[in-house]
Amino acid sequence: AQSVTQLDSHVSVSEGTPVLLRCNYSSSYSPSLFWYVQHPNKGLQLLLKYTSAATLVKGINGFEAEFKKSETSFHLTKPSAHMSDAAEYFCVVSDGRNPGANNLFFGTGTRLTVIP
Amino acid sequence: EPEVTQTPSHQVTQMGQEVILRCVPISNHLYFYWYRQILGQKVEFLVSFYNNEISEKSEIFDDQFSVERPDGSNFTLKIRSTKLEDSAMYFCASSDRGSGNEKLFFGSGTQLSVL
Repeated sequence: AQSVTQLDSHVSVSEGTPVLLRCNYSSSYSPSLFWYVQHPNKGLQLLLKYTSAATLVKGINGFEAEFKKSETSFHLTKPSAHMSDAAEYFCVVSDGRNPGANNLFFGTGTRLTVIP
Repeated sequence: EPEVTQTPSHQVTQMGQEVILRCVPISNHLYFYWYRQILGQKVEFLVSFYNNEISEKSEIFDDQFSVERPDGSNFTLKIRSTKLEDSAMYFCASSDRGSGNEKLFFGSGTQLSVL
């Protein structure tokens, strides 16, 4: 069975400092993993995805995530937070055996606040 | 970047009433989806739609729910007789292929409140 745990419901960082949003997953098969971001009054936007290629994945807006199978983690990082990064972030896992939009498992989300 | 549009952004209804949530997917997309997120819970898959028929649906998507693509642009979710537990944020999504691991474009959601 697939599941995703986002360890922090709320993360607050100062502008210019690093961002770390944690995600752990459970999957019986080789998963695909995604990070989505939702800005206020906007749709969910794909930040990056891992699909069994390079374990370090670079996404948009300077974000990246590293797939660590031994730790079953897919944490999202950014070296320097910007005010525009304030949003809700969702970690998502797709069933590796039956990939598809009907088999996406979402975390509960992490709200990132950036302090000026 | 193209966007999926959902209307209304917020819908309030009385229990037992029918509601229709509307979505305009990206114009050249062929696969359409509805998800929902009850407050404090995870986003859950409801249904996928392709070639004018449902391709997959979850256990949540019971007989009270239906989807339709009434014209070339809209994709609607109808809840026939709303219950209190239907209160949630409903997200529409679309993609240009359904091969798995496809890039989904999501709308900004409709917050449904059932009183």
